[in-house]
Amino acid sequence: AQTVTQSQPEMSVQEAETVTLSCTYDTSESNYYLFWYKQPPSRQMILVIRQEAYKQQNATENRFSVNFQKAAKSFSLKISDSQLGDTAMYFCAYTGTASKLTFGTGTRLQVTL
Amino acid sequence: GAVVSQHPSWVICKSGTSVKIECRSLDFQATTMFWYRQFPKQSLMLMATSNEGSKATYEQGVEKDKFLINHASLTLSTLTVTSAHPEDSSFYICSAGRAGQLQETQYFGPGTRLLVL
Repeated sequence: AQTVTQSQPEMSVQEAETVTLSCTYDTSESNYYLFWYKQPPSRQMILVIRQEAYKQQNATENRFSVNFQKAAKSFSLKISDSQLGDTAMYFCAYTGTASKLTFGTGTRLQVTL
Repeated sequence: GAVVSQHPSWVICKSGTSVKIECRSLDFQATTMFWYRQFPKQSLMLMATSNEGSKATYEQGVEKDKFLINHASLTLSTLTVTSAHPEDSSFYICSAGRAGQLQETQYFGPGTRLLVL
């Protein structure tokens, strides 16, 4: 079975600074996707960024980028120029051939002034 | 982007009653939908996979007679919590994806908060 581990329950960053959220996963599949989802207080799940396992290039979306280390099964999220609106719960997630999402336990990010 | 709605967004019911939650894909057809449960300050746990026109597939430990899932059309899946008890109080979220793109993108509904008194 696939597992996703987020070892940082809570993190804090000052506005305009950079923060990195960690995620590791375990799988024996070769075809899979990795995601970072944001869940603000409204609890609506919002896709932040997606990485296809067969692509070596790290995905980027504006201020959000990932460091995908396939051999190490590591998938960290970097948020640059942090904004107050980035305050949320962040979930790392995996999906393989079964298309079922497996989520990590989440990291609560607080952006402060 | 694709939109998924859930109804109701909030429901309070008495213990022993049944509650139905709807999940709709508004602008695309979804042959597969997923139902998740989330307790406060915890992660999303997959409950079941709902396939249009066939029986749902439940995750280990999820009572299929307790959580009835029906996926009667390509745009609607329903989750019925039967004989609800206080321990069923939770946040229920559905997700859906387009056929053939399920692995790469799923769209989430806004969730339904259930409180059983």
